[in-house]
Amino acid sequence: AQTVTQSQPEMSVQEAETVTLSCTYDTSESDYYLFWYKQPPSRQMILVIRQEAYKQQNATENRFSVNFQKAAKSFSLKISDSQLGDAAMYFCAYSNNFNKFYFGSGTKLNVKP
Amino acid sequence: DSGVTQTPKHLITATGQRVTLRCSPRSGDLSVYWYQQSLDQGLQFLIQYYNGEERAKGNILERFSAQQFPDLHSELNLSSLELGDSALYFCASSVQGANQPQHFGDGTRLSIL
Repeated sequence: AQTVTQSQPEMSVQEAETVTLSCTYDTSESDYYLFWYKQPPSRQMILVIRQEAYKQQNATENRFSVNFQKAAKSFSLKISDSQLGDAAMYFCAYSNNFNKFYFGSGTKLNVKP
Repeated sequence: DSGVTQTPKHLITATGQRVTLRCSPRSGDLSVYWYQQSLDQGLQFLIQYYNGEERAKGNILERFSAQQFPDLHSELNLSSLELGDSALYFCASSVQGANQPQHFGDGTRLSIL
């Protein structure tokens, strides 16, 4: 069965610094999709970034980028120039062609001014 | 605003009761997903519908059922409620399937007393 593991329950970063959140997943499939979602205290779920497994190039969205290592089944999120508004829970998610989604347990990111 | 509408926002009921949660997807989206988020945990995928038909099933209890109507809105029915069913229930929608970003509603907070 597919599982998504986020080994860092909580992390802290200084404003304007860079932080990397880790995510690993377990799958026997070759075609799948990976996502990072942000959940601020308002509890809304906001898509941060998406990566297709067949693409070797790492996805980038402004200050957010991923390091996708398919062989290692690793999908980390790098946040550059951290801002106070980045403070939130971050969830890594996996989906396959059967439309099932699996979320990690989340990493709480604190941003210090 | 994601364009996904969930009602009600809050629901308080007692054990043994039955409730219905409603979701209207974003305009143009054919897929609807339901998730359960218990306190301080990740999201558990429950079920997905595409254009009125069930497409994928996750960890959904037999006491729970869902459907998607011709106008594409969806309902999640929870019966014989137990204390452990207290959670935030999210609905998300996407244009089609797993490779596309999901847009989340604000959730329904269900409290079982």
